[in-house]
Amino acid sequence: DAKTTQPPSMDCAEGRAANLPCNHSTISGNEYVYWYRQIHSQGPQYIIHGLKNNETNEMASLIITEDRKSSTLILPHATLRDTAVYYCIVRVVNTGTASKLTFGTGTRLQVTL
Amino acid sequence: DGGITQSPKYLFRKEGQNVTLSCEQNLNHDAMYWYRQDPGQGLRLIYYSQIVNDFQKGDIAEGYSVSREKKESFPLTVTSAQKNPTAFYLCASSLGGPFEAFFGQGTRLTVV
Repeated sequence: DAKTTQPPSMDCAEGRAANLPCNHSTISGNEYVYWYRQIHSQGPQYIIHGLKNNETNEMASLIITEDRKSSTLILPHATLRDTAVYYCIVRVVNTGTASKLTFGTGTRLQVTL
Repeated sequence: DGGITQSPKYLFRKEGQNVTLSCEQNLNHDAMYWYRQDPGQGLRLIYYSQIVNDFQKGDIAEGYSVSREKKESFPLTVTSAQKNPTAFYLCASSLGGPFEAFFGQGTRLTVV
């Protein structure tokens, strides 16, 4: 699976959009981009994933560049409860196989008043 | 409610003792996983299972063992051979393929 690079930490004011970048310059054509977050001392929570197209769900939006070498997770209106470590993961997906995920150290997002 | 249950939340053991961590899921997922997390680090894969009675080593399997006798259960045994067993252990399950993994709330193991 391709490696990812994320900034170690970011701050965001409550109510503003949080834009978390991820670089995955060695991504191959059959690798998806996944985002998870982990609130302190809890299990990671799935946020969103995508292959080529931008994706949006009730939690966030995922913007993938046309060359797929980087992506941005957008939390449109950050709240204090969004304070967490955010992990960007890329992995090959084969139907029926286990969803092995390789976690880096992620980005620690601090949302402030 | 559907989900993944890990128990206990905190576990203390003496050095040299084997200890088994429980993971149960009622999501009807075929695949299950065990991860280890050390302070300030990401998660590392210990073992995973794609189907009952089958499991594969992950990146750091040494000193650990697992079994998968039932679809719902995937217990992890931390043996005395694991040199640094104190860590936060997380269990997950998924449908496999592109589907996301769901994680339990973790067991924090402390070996003294």
